[in-house]
Amino acid sequence: QVQLVQSGAEVKKSGASVKVSCRASGYTFTDFYLHWVRQAPGQGLEWMGWFNPNSGASKSAQKFQGRVTMNRDTSISTAFLELNSLISDDTAVYYCARDLGPGAGRPFDYWGQGTLVTVSS
Amino acid sequence: QSALTQPASVSGSPGQSITISCTGTSSDVGGYNYVSWYQQHTGKVPELLIYDVSDRPSGVSNRFSGSKSGNTASLTISGLQAEDEADYYCSSYTSRRTYVFGTGTTVTVL
Repeated sequence: QVQLVQSGAEVKKSGASVKVSCRASGYTFTDFYLHWVRQAPGQGLEWMGWFNPNSGASKSAQKFQGRVTMNRDTSISTAFLELNSLISDDTAVYYCARDLGPGAGRPFDYWGQGTLVTVSS
Repeated sequence: QSALTQPASVSGSPGQSITISCTGTSSDVGGYNYVSWYQQHTGKVPELLIYDVSDRPSGVSNRFSGSKSGNTASLTISGLQAEDEADYYCSSYTSRRTYVFGTGTTVTVL
């Protein structure tokens, strides 16, 4: 069965960076895009970007451009999201989600359990 | 990219039907048939309910249905049940090759 297992909760200081991992199993890692979505406490879902595990290509939402890096290690079927220059507003649960595929505009059919990132000053 | 607009809350009695709207622009909802809906129970991970405006993944109840007219998509829940109490989010692909979520709607079963 398809599973996305994310790394554990993180507490970071303002200005620091955080790296969240998402380990995939139950399917061929390089066959499906992954997305990163975050949810601040008590708030809605916010799409951050998509990532192609096969080519390494990615695209992020405009508000995160220059501050987010998405990459992967195909040998361990794991994708990574790194967010730099953290501010308190980055406090959120970060989810990875698999793209149903193929082609553009596909929905997110499997989600990781979420990783809470807390940014303190 | 601004979030798609949804009503903050919708309520209904058991057995009733309710509809949640999701309004965007011609650059997202109106421009593509790539609207999805997600259900999120409190403290849980979002789950895919509807994709491509009106398709249901296997295992999703046929009480959930989707439609679209112009720049507004809609999710209808028929035969409302207590277990439907949750937050619902729409999502759309956009002309920038990105995605955008709606503001979210809390459904309350009276």
